[in-house]
Amino acid sequence: DAGVTQSPTHLIKTRGQQVTLRCSPKSGHDTVSWYQQALGQGPQFIFQYYEEEERQRGNFPDRFSGHQFPNYSSELNVNALLLGDSALYLCASSFRLADNTGELFFGEGSRLTVL
Amino acid sequence: QQPVQSPQAVILREGEDAVINCSSSKALYSVHWYRQKHGEAPVFLMILLKGGEQKGHEKISASFNEKKQQSSLYLTASQLSYSGTYFCGTETPDSWGKLQFGAGTQVVVTP
Repeated sequence: DAGVTQSPTHLIKTRGQQVTLRCSPKSGHDTVSWYQQALGQGPQFIFQYYEEEERQRGNFPDRFSGHQFPNYSSELNVNALLLGDSALYLCASSFRLADNTGELFFGEGSRLTVL
Repeated sequence: QQPVQSPQAVILREGEDAVINCSSSKALYSVHWYRQKHGEAPVFLMILLKGGEQKGHEKISASFNEKKQQSSLYLTASQLSYSGTYFCGTETPDSWGKLQFGAGTQVVVTP
């Protein structure tokens, strides 16, 4: 059973460019959450997608946008990249429960470096 | 709002115990604990829902005091495999699905 897969694993961009990161959730999961993790810090919640809609959003600017497809896979798009966007981007999938976020399964992440 | 974890780091010898604390200024609905080893993805340990549940995972257990909006993770008789960074994640009743993590507690277990 494949777990959460993310691509690409590493990428380098320059300031002002745009990037798209992709995530395939664990089989049977219908919810995808995206996190940004700077070096030595905890994961910061970006947003969560369920039924192809953004359900929750953290304190990130509109430059960060996402999408969820009918097969539950998801994309994270970041426009007008800044140096401060350099981080590990983690995708986490889960099965939506009625009253709480269930167990999150994390992918290995996409390491973004902005020069 | 992110939860606050303490201590920032702890060094243990095999067999010793440790406690990691997680506190929030907001009323909590659930607390989650994850462990991340260097260069790896965070791995789920346990979820605690409001009601003061105490759960366990091997010799790792946790408690949740909803009145104090605090959770504690207990590492008992630590093993080398317990080394890593532990994160608590919290949800509030009005924003479930928005799991916010603390800055983490780095645990090093030495022989």
